[in-house]
This record gives sequence, C-alpha cells and structure tokens, in this order.
Amino acid sequence: DIQMTQSPSSLSASVGDRVTITCRASQSISSYLNWYQETPGKAPKLLIYAASNLQSGVPSRFSGTGSGTDFTLTISSLQDEDFATYYCQQSHTIPYTFGQGTKLDI
Amino acid sequence: EVQLVQSGAEVKKPGESLKISCKGSGYIFNSYWIAWVRQVPGKGLEWMGFIFPGDSDTRYSPSFQGQVTMSADKSISTAYLQWSSLKASDTAMYYCAGHKTFHYGMDVWGQGTTVTVSS
Repeated sequence: DIQMTQSPSSLSASVGDRVTITCRASQSISSYLNWYQETPGKAPKLLIYAASNLQSGVPSRFSGTGSGTDFTLTISSLQDEDFATYYCQQSHTIPYTFGQGTKLDI
Repeated sequence: EVQLVQSGAEVKKPGESLKISCKGSGYIFNSYWIAWVRQVPGKGLEWMGFIFPGDSDTRYSPSFQGQVTMSADKSISTAYLQWSSLKASDTAMYYCAGHKTFHYGMDVWGQGTTVTVSS
C-alpha cells in the first residue's frame, strides 16, 4: 500500500492566519491527490481533487499544490468554519489510502 | 441533486450478520464508483474499496478483502456493505461515498451509518 504522511498532526491558528498542511506519499502518485475537510458530526467534504483543482462550491481561500510525492494544502485566511480535521488521500493505486489527518484548532 | 442516503444505526452482537445500505439519487448509480469508508471512533478515515453499480466491478482494499462484501442493485440505485460474522473491532462509522471516475476524489458522501458490535 502507498503510505500517506501528513504534517503536522495538529495545528493551532487564529482567524485570518495563513496555514499550510503537507502530505507526502511513499511513492510517486503523479497528481492523484485529494484533500478533504471533516467537521464533527458531519461527513467529510472534498475540497481539492487532482492535487490542485478546487471542488465546486469550495471557497477560493483553499488551494492545493504538488505532484509526485509532495503536496500541500493552503488556507489563505482562516475563517471560523475552517477549524476542522483535514485529510489527504491518494487515488493513484488501490487501496486509495488516507493520511492520518491534521487537526486544525484555535 | 446528487446525494447518497444511508440506512440507520445498527447495534449487533459479535457473530451476527449485517447488511447496511446506501441509496443514490440522480444519475450517480449509472456513472459513479461507490466507495465505503470506515472511521473507528476517534481515529482517521480508511478506504475499504468500491463498486461500480453499472457492472458490479468491485475492488477491495487488501485490509478488508474477505472481511466484508460490497454489492449493488442498480435497479433501485442502492449499494450495500455486509458482514457475515461481526466482531467488536467492526464498531465504527461507515460512510458510502462516490468517486465520479476511477481516479477522482469522493465528491458526494452519505451521512454515515454507525455500527456498534457489543455483547
């Protein structure tokens, strides 16, 4: 299986901050990298697909970059509703593995 | 609107069988791969595998192969996840979710089904 490693595992920030979460794959996954947001009591939500494509309806303060093995998710200016847990997932090779998650709190 | 609606919470005993469901709307069951994702309480997300309801092509994660069975009935736009003999370690939230294409992210999700296995 392809191992996905996120860093940091947790992050404290304030409204208005710019934050970056990184995700590293154990082997090249081209651009088959997705980012999800999970808030308590809700199903995960797709934010970014294919490394850098913003899913429809997702605010433009979210962006993704990377290819090969190294990827980043950036939130340009944190809003209250962004405090959540973020997961990366590779969709290059079955099984489509997730990172361990990054919990973003105030 | 494209959406998935899952069956309700289940409480079972070890050794019992279970089948949970995920019903789609719109065109989803003609074109999406329907995945199942497990989340053990307090833990992260685990992709279990997916099925293409159009032809029932199914791909399992090796971690779940032989432990669960995925199936679908496209005539009623419903996918299923079943266990023949539950264990306490199967206690988790189970989400169904749709991949628009084989390599696309999961852009539509069900609300989740909580499965509790306890004696």
